[in-house]
Amino acid sequence: NAGVMQNPRHLVRRRGQEARLRCSPMKGHSHVYWYRQLPEEGLKFMVYLQKENIIDESGMPKERFSAEFPKEGPSILRIQQVVRGDSAAYFCASSPKGLETQYFGPGTRLLVL
Amino acid sequence: AQKVTQAQTEISVVEKEDVTLDCVYETRDTTYYLFWYKQPPSGELVFLIRRNSFDEQNEISGRYSWNFQKSTSSFNFTITASQVVDSAVYFCALPATGYALNFGKGTSLLVTP
Repeated sequence: NAGVMQNPRHLVRRRGQEARLRCSPMKGHSHVYWYRQLPEEGLKFMVYLQKENIIDESGMPKERFSAEFPKEGPSILRIQQVVRGDSAAYFCASSPKGLETQYFGPGTRLLVL
Repeated sequence: AQKVTQAQTEISVVEKEDVTLDCVYETRDTTYYLFWYKQPPSGELVFLIRRNSFDEQNEISGRYSWNFQKSTSSFNFTITASQVVDSAVYFCALPATGYALNFGKGTSLLVTP
């Protein structure tokens, strides 16, 4: 029974490039959450999605960041025109329902040079 | 506002000592959940426990135990007979809107042989 899968585990981008982070939820889970862990800020909620719907994106920066969870395939967190301040660990979590326990993936460590 | 405070930034103990990690929370909700997660040096986030505010009974799982005190808004975590493998950052969390987890800043536990 595979857990939450995230890839890549490590991603290096130069300033101005695009970063695409993928998350496959646990089997049977249709709710996905993205969090960001910055060195001095801790873990912060970014966005909550169900299949084909963004439910809450109140934690997402207004520009350059977007997320989707298509009917088929993984959830994608997309960061356009990355800047050094985007360097962080990005975690995806999933749950079977909206108020259930969230199980986290191993994270993607993004480094922007 | 929903808030979690983990006042202990770092704790260092010698193997086999007992250690308690503190978590104090603020919430305007009458019913809520509280969580503990573990982040070992490898970086993933591991779910440890979810506690419903209705249930104030202490929870024990092996060497781990949790003390939930609604009167003091605390949800403390005790590791009995600590082991080197317990070295990790431990996060307490409280849902902000029912699903978006608000994490404390974490307590870094170092267990030395």
